[in-house]
Amino acid sequence: GAGVSQTPSNKVTEKGKYVELRCDPISGHTALYWYRQSLGQGPEFLIYFQGTGAADDSGLPNDRFFAVRPEGSVSTLKIQRTERGDSAVYLCASSLAGDQDTQYFGPGTRLTVL
Amino acid sequence: SQQGEEDPQALSIQEGENATMNCSYKTSINNLQWYRQNSGRGLVHLILIRSNEREKHSGRLRVTLDTSKKSSSLLITASRAADTASYFCATENYGQNFVFGPGTRLSVLP
Repeated sequence: GAGVSQTPSNKVTEKGKYVELRCDPISGHTALYWYRQSLGQGPEFLIYFQGTGAADDSGLPNDRFFAVRPEGSVSTLKIQRTERGDSAVYLCASSLAGDQDTQYFGPGTRLTVL
Repeated sequence: SQQGEEDPQALSIQEGENATMNCSYKTSINNLQWYRQNSGRGLVHLILIRSNEREKHSGRLRVTLDTSKKSSSLLITASRAADTASYFCATENYGQNFVFGPGTRLSVLP
């Protein structure tokens, strides 16, 4: 079956603009995760959804970052007033149930803020 | 903050040789997982080892876990050029989320 997909694959924006990044998890997976990865670093946890609700948003760096998953499937990561430091690859992963399950990653969205 | 720390940061070997990467972590865990990443994009899950397990095998991969030393190792036997990638360990504690290390960049030279 289809894996996790993310759109767009690349996004270039200007400082101060608003961006939305989309994640389509594997069908039937209740858990969805967002990570951010800077060059040469490991993925950094941002937020975790179990169904429609954010079970843990402790990794969101500040209130410019927000994510939703209104129907428990597709999720959108929203970044307001983007800054150059937001440039990174944003990775989405899903797992069947959450705790102790394998996470399956999407290809990521490379965000560049000029 | 990143709990897992892979060692070495970079490793270069000849095709056919074995590659060993290590991961150390700080707090108790439920499980530890290894992932591979090509070209800085999506991660591919390799193997999961639970805290009550000491060793697991999958094809040419062998993972060990020593909870007393808070460390894990990933061994890739008979390496191939296609194994060239970054390898990450990720630790999970109950109720908390994955914490990834900075990774080991493996280069397998033909």
